Parts: sequence; structure tokens; C-alpha cells
Amino acid sequence: AQSVAQPEDQVNVAEGNPLTVKCTYSVSGNPYLFWYVQYPNRGLQFLLKYITGDNLVKGSYGFEAEFNKSQTSFHLKKPSALVSDSALYFCAVRDTVDSGNTPLVFGKGTRLSVIA
Amino acid sequence: DAGITQSPRHKVTETGTPVTLRCHQTENHRYMYWYRQDPGHGLRLIHYSYGVKDTDKGEVSDGYSVSRSKTEDFLLTLESATSSQTSVYFCAIGRAGTYNEQFFGPGTRLTVL
Repeated sequence: AQSVAQPEDQVNVAEGNPLTVKCTYSVSGNPYLFWYVQYPNRGLQFLLKYITGDNLVKGSYGFEAEFNKSQTSFHLKKPSALVSDSALYFCAVRDTVDSGNTPLVFGKGTRLSVIA
Repeated sequence: DAGITQSPRHKVTETGTPVTLRCHQTENHRYMYWYRQDPGHGLRLIHYSYGVKDTDKGEVSDGYSVSRSKTEDFLLTLESATSSQTSVYFCAIGRAGTYNEQFFGPGTRLTVL
């Protein structure tokens, strides 16, 4: 069965500094990987996904993520954090060996706080 | 937001009462999902549907049932609500051809007293 771990409940970073939110995964085959962001009192919004190809994936709002198969990781990054990036971030995975309707499995979330 | 609405957006109810939450989508997507979000647990899948009258259980399905009689509506029912079902409930759709990239509704905050 697939699983996702987000090892940090909370990440604090100063505005203008680079940020990293960590995610590791476990699947039987190959992964489809996703990042979502949730702002207060809102639903989850899709940020980016890795399906195949280039290990560096670029997404919305200047975010990017790097797929590392040997470390089974998919860390979310941004070169320069903004206060408006403060939110809850979720990593999700689906195994490519599963059928098309298999739901995503989500991590427990990491709260990012960007301090001015 | 992929045309997803949830109703009600907020509900307070008492233990033992039945509750139905509605998810409505306007884009004719085949796959729909119900999740609950709780602090320290992230998002957990309750039930999902891959077509009209086709549903399956998720990780935390006990105490919940679902129905999907038409493509656009996916109903989640708590037959007899308990305080442990106090949570925020999210509906999502899965877009075919996008490796099941999921899009979420705005959520329903349910409080069971």
C-alpha cells in the first residue's frame, strides 16, 4: 500500500529566504506525486504534480518540487518565501500500478509560517 | 474550484441524529471523493465513487454511508452522528486523463454536540 510522510508539522522561515517542505513516499511501483496548499477556511488547492520525466517540476505561485527516486522524496521548494505563502501544505501520492480511479493518499500536512 | 459546491457549509447537530452532506459538481466528472480533515491526521478518505451507483470504502468509512444516484451529486450520510465525527468534510473530484489529479470543494464544518 502507498503512504506519504511529512516529517515536519511546522516550518518557520523568514520572508525572502528559501523554503523547503519535506515529503517522502512509499509505493510498490512508481509514484504519481502531488502538492496541495490550504489557506485558512478554504479547500485544498493544487500546486504541482510529478508524473514522469524531468525531476524538477514547476508549479503555481513560484513553487517547485524535486523528485528523487533513490531517496523516495518529493520536497517542495521556493527560492524566496513570501508572507502570503503561510499556509498548510499537503503532499499526496498514487501508485502507478493502481487503476485510474484509485484515490490519492495524503500526508498529515506541514504548516508553513513565513515571518516578515 | 472545478465547479464543486458543498452544502451545508456549517452544521451543528446533536449526538444520535442523522446528517447528510451534499457535494455537487457541474463538470460531469466520473470520480468523486469524501475526506475528513482533523488536526494531526491530515486528510483521510471516507468513501469514494467511480460512477453512478459505484462506490467504495476508504480508510475511515465506519459510521458513514454514501450514495450517488446521478453524476453531479455525491451524498455523505452519518446515520447516527457521534462527537468523534466532528470534523471538516471535503468533497473532491478526480479529473480523468490527469493521473487522477483531484480538485476540492470548500468544505463543510460539522460539529456534533
